[in-house]
Parts: sequence; structure tokens; C-alpha cells
Amino acid sequence: AQSVTQLDSQVPVFEEAPVELRCNYSSSVSVYLFWYVQYPNQGLQLLLKYLSGSTLVKGINGFEAEFNKSQTSFHLRKPSVHISDTAEYFCAVIRSGNTPLVFGKGTRLSVIA
Amino acid sequence: ETGVTQSPTHLIKTRGQQVTLRCSSQSGHNTVSWYQQALGQGPQFIFQYYREEENGRGNFPPRFSGLQFPNYSSELNVNALELDDSALYLCASTSRGGSYNEQFFGPGTRLTVL
Repeated sequence: AQSVTQLDSQVPVFEEAPVELRCNYSSSVSVYLFWYVQYPNQGLQLLLKYLSGSTLVKGINGFEAEFNKSQTSFHLRKPSVHISDTAEYFCAVIRSGNTPLVFGKGTRLSVIA
Repeated sequence: ETGVTQSPTHLIKTRGQQVTLRCSSQSGHNTVSWYQQALGQGPQFIFQYYREEENGRGNFPPRFSGLQFPNYSSELNVNALELDDSALYLCASTSRGGSYNEQFFGPGTRLTVL
């Protein structure tokens, strides 16, 4: 079975500062990896995904993530955050295309003006 | 193209009651998955429906049941509600086939059980 650990439950950061949200996963098989964002009172929106190929993945809103197989990590980064990035971020894995998503507990990013 | 929609937006029930939540899948999608997101937690997989049949289930008791209709919309039914059923219920639709197909999420239904 797959599992996901998001190492920080809350991350406060000042506007225009860089941020990294950490995610580690556990799986005995190859997986696909995802980051979702959830704004208050909304559903989940896909930020980016790693399926194969280049380990550096670029997503929407200036976010990127790097897949590190040896460390089983998929950390999310943004070089300069905005107030509008304040939201809950979820890391998730699936074993194959039609299997259910397994989510971490989420990291609340709070951007401070 | 219409995205995934869910109804109602909010719902308040009391312990022991039954509830039905509804999800309309995105146009062209034939698979619907339901997730429960408790406060402060990540979403947890309840079950998936494909071509009107349950196609995979998470660790949820039988009082959580579902349906999928010929137009691929879906219902989640929860009987004998418990306080711990209070959560945001999300549905996601996708098309099966190929190595990967993105799941598109609806805005969710927030259920409060008193």
C-alpha cells in the first residue's frame, strides 16, 4: 500500500519569500505523484504531477516540484509567494492510472504581508 | 464544458439520520470517485463507480453506499449517521483508459452531523 507524509502541518512565510512544502511517500511499486491546492471552501485543484521523465516538474501559478526516487520525496517549491497562495496544499500518490488517490494530511501555507 | 458539480453545498443532519449527496461528472467522463475529508485531514477514498458498478472501495463501512446512473452522475448515501461522519465530501470524475487520466474534483458538500 502507498502512504504519504507531509512533514509540516503549517508553514508561515512572508510575501515574496521562497517556500518549500515537503512530501515523502512510501510505496513498494512505482507511483505517480501529485500536488493539489485547496482554497477555503473549495474543492481540490491540480497544481502539478509527475508521471515519468524529467524529475523537475513545473505546474501552475509558478510552482514546481522535484521527484527524488532515492529519497522518496516530492517537495513543492515556489521562489516568491503571493498573498493569494494562502491555501491548503496536499501531496498525493497513485499506483497506476485508475487507482484511487492517496493523500497526505495537508500543509497549510499562510503568506504574511 | 461543464465541470464537476455537487449538491447540496451544505447539509446539517442529526445522528441516526440518512443523507444523500449528489455529483454530476464532467462531460465525457465515465468514472466517479468519492472522498471524505475530515477537518484538518487529507481526503480519504470511499469508493469509485465505473459504468454503474462499484469498482473499488476504501476502508468505509457498508452504511456508506453509492449509485451511478446511465448519464454517469452519482450519489453517495450514508445511513445511520454518526458524529464522525461530519466532513467535506468530494467527488471526482475521470475517464478510464490509458496509463493516467486526471481526476477533476467538484467543490464538495459539507456535511455536519449534530
